[in-house]
Amino acid sequence: EAQVTQNPRYLITVTGKKLTVTCSQNMNHEYMSWYRQDPGLGLRQIYYSMNVEVTDKGDVPEGYKVSRKEKRNFPLILESPSPNQTSLYFCASSLSGGAAYNSPLHFGNGTRLTVT
Amino acid sequence: GQQVMQIPQYQHVQEGEDFTTYCNSSTTLSNIQWYKQRPGGHPVFLIQLVKSGEVKKQKRLTFQFGEAKKNSSLHITATQTTDVGTYFCAPRSNYQLIWGAGTKLIIKP
Repeated sequence: EAQVTQNPRYLITVTGKKLTVTCSQNMNHEYMSWYRQDPGLGLRQIYYSMNVEVTDKGDVPEGYKVSRKEKRNFPLILESPSPNQTSLYFCASSLSGGAAYNSPLHFGNGTRLTVT
Repeated sequence: GQQVMQIPQYQHVQEGEDFTTYCNSSTTLSNIQWYKQRPGGHPVFLIQLVKSGEVKKQKRLTFQFGEAKKNSSLHITATQTTDVGTYFCAPRSNYQLIWGAGTKLIIKP
């Protein structure tokens, strides 16, 4: 089944403790992206990747890192999480990097992160 | 950066009533996608509009793209409980995909 898989679904951590949220897609998609969703603010893009080894900042990249060493995986790294990073995170992918925004985005099920 | 306004933020309707959400931009858009997010779920792609004045229908859902490609709407006829969720517009402008804040459809008990 074609899907985007995020793990974990829920994560509670403490300030400063490094964490990684994994994202994997099995559709051979070139484009991948991370979003955070907060009430009343819709979806805000954190980072995106047009292809392997090509990543770029979105609208809210501060405090996050990503890597794209393989086409299927796009982990989100919080080196030193802070309470303002408490949010619902979504990974998404689409077929083509060049025409990324002409292709539908496929979303993972989300990761609800709480930083205390 | 570039912003899009989506209104209303919430809409409460009785089951069977119609629902409309609007997406407005101050700049011309290349295309616009619409997504639906059920409560507790993730956004799911509904449709993409590309041409000026385009109208597309999916059963009870009607999507429109304005003549000037600066606005779009989603209209649901005779809402059902399965329509509950938040509807997002995601227009593209200058290679950027931007997201509206969403309109939450709530069915009154």
